[in-house]
Amino acid sequence: DTGVSQNPRHKITKRGQNVTFRCDPISEHNRLYWYRQTLGQGPEFLTYFQNEAQLEKSRLLSDRFSAERPKGSFSTLEIQRTEQGDSAMYLCASSPSGQNHSPLHFGNGTRLTVT
Amino acid sequence: AQSVSQHNHHVILSEAASLELGCNYSYGGTVNLFWYVQYPGQHLQLLLKYFSGDPLVKGIKGFEAEFIKSKFSFNLRKPSVQWSDTAEYFCAAGGGGATNKLIFGTGTLLAVQP
Repeated sequence: DTGVSQNPRHKITKRGQNVTFRCDPISEHNRLYWYRQTLGQGPEFLTYFQNEAQLEKSRLLSDRFSAERPKGSFSTLEIQRTEQGDSAMYLCASSPSGQNHSPLHFGNGTRLTVT
Repeated sequence: AQSVSQHNHHVILSEAASLELGCNYSYGGTVNLFWYVQYPGQHLQLLLKYFSGDPLVKGIKGFEAEFIKSKFSFNLRKPSVQWSDTAEYFCAAGGGGATNKLIFGTGTLLAVQP
């Protein structure tokens, strides 16, 4: 189990720029999740993939956000025209399908700072 | 609306003290409950989970939690904390279903003084 891998670990960008983050889940996990965490808050759900299909999106995910999982393996999260309010830790998690109480396995996250 | 509440935002204890962190949830239907821990500089890790059966569940590192359905609570306990338990603790709830997504509380930052 190599764990969930996220890149980059840190990203500093200027307001208005686009950024893209990558997540490599645990290889045998079909389910992939993106969460966002700001200071003093718990992780907030953004979106969910079952294999390559994006099955749920939170209303937190504005139209500037897009996520893909083209081959059902790694996933990318893109934020266009970043705003200072986008500054947060972006977490990726994966879990196996089958058991509905399977825990989520989290990566270390990508910390985004928008200046 | 589905939600998870953690009322203790910051707890400071001395080593060997007992710990209890509160968690209350609001969730329609069947609920699965989890406690995650995040040590400084590390990713979120599962401490324990409840999905059915014995409401008292035991997890790693001597932690346990009790599901009390009538109180919508899932409090985390440890009889004697160690300095190495210093971390942030998150309670989470999920109903399984098609997505198995989790809803997290705001977290409790525990500092254990040696």
